[in-house]
Amino acid sequence: AQTVTQSQPEMSVQEAETVTLSCTYDTSENNYYLFWYKQPPSRQMILVIRQEAYKQQNATENRFSVNFQKAAKSFSLKISDSQLGDTAMYFCALGRGSRGGSQGNLIFGKGTKLSVKP
Amino acid sequence: KAGVTQTPRYLIKTRGQQVTLSCSPISGHRSVSWYQQTPGQGLQFLFEYFSETQRNKGNFPGRFSGRQFSNSRSEMNVSTLELGDSALYLCASSLEVGRTGGYTFGSGTRLTVV
Repeated sequence: AQTVTQSQPEMSVQEAETVTLSCTYDTSENNYYLFWYKQPPSRQMILVIRQEAYKQQNATENRFSVNFQKAAKSFSLKISDSQLGDTAMYFCALGRGSRGGSQGNLIFGKGTKLSVKP
Repeated sequence: KAGVTQTPRYLIKTRGQQVTLSCSPISGHRSVSWYQQTPGQGLQFLFEYFSETQRNKGNFPGRFSGRQFSNSRSEMNVSTLELGDSALYLCASSLEVGRTGGYTFGSGTRLTVV
């Protein structure tokens, strides 16, 4: 069975500082994808960053980067220069790979509530 | 271009009734997935449709069903509602099953069963 664990239910960070959210996962698949989604109070899930398991290079999207440790099955998200608009729930998700990419049945962690303080 | 549209935004139903939720994917997207989000269970996958066919199904009772139309719009139906069905129902669309670009989510339908 595939599982995703986020061990930090809540975190806070001062504006402009850096914060790291943790995620560990378990899967027996060789081909899989990992995602971080952000859910602000508006409820819409917004894709922050994705990582293909077969790529060793860590994904980066502007202020967001990941530390992907495949052997340890760890996938942490680093947010640099935190902004007030980063306040949201953050979900780590695992997708099983198929020929074209991940399948639609994503497995989500329980989430980390991040508060950015002015 | 327009995002994923879910209607209605809010819904209140009585136990035992049935409900239908609608999801219009991004234009050109052919895959639609549905998720249930509750405080206790988190986000759980319901099912995925592609080209009017159910491609994947989560571990939910048969009271939960869905379908997809030729224009890729999707509906999910819950029959004989229970109090535990109160949740945020999210749908997500993608160009196709397995697209590595990820899935674009809608803002969800908040269902309250009383």
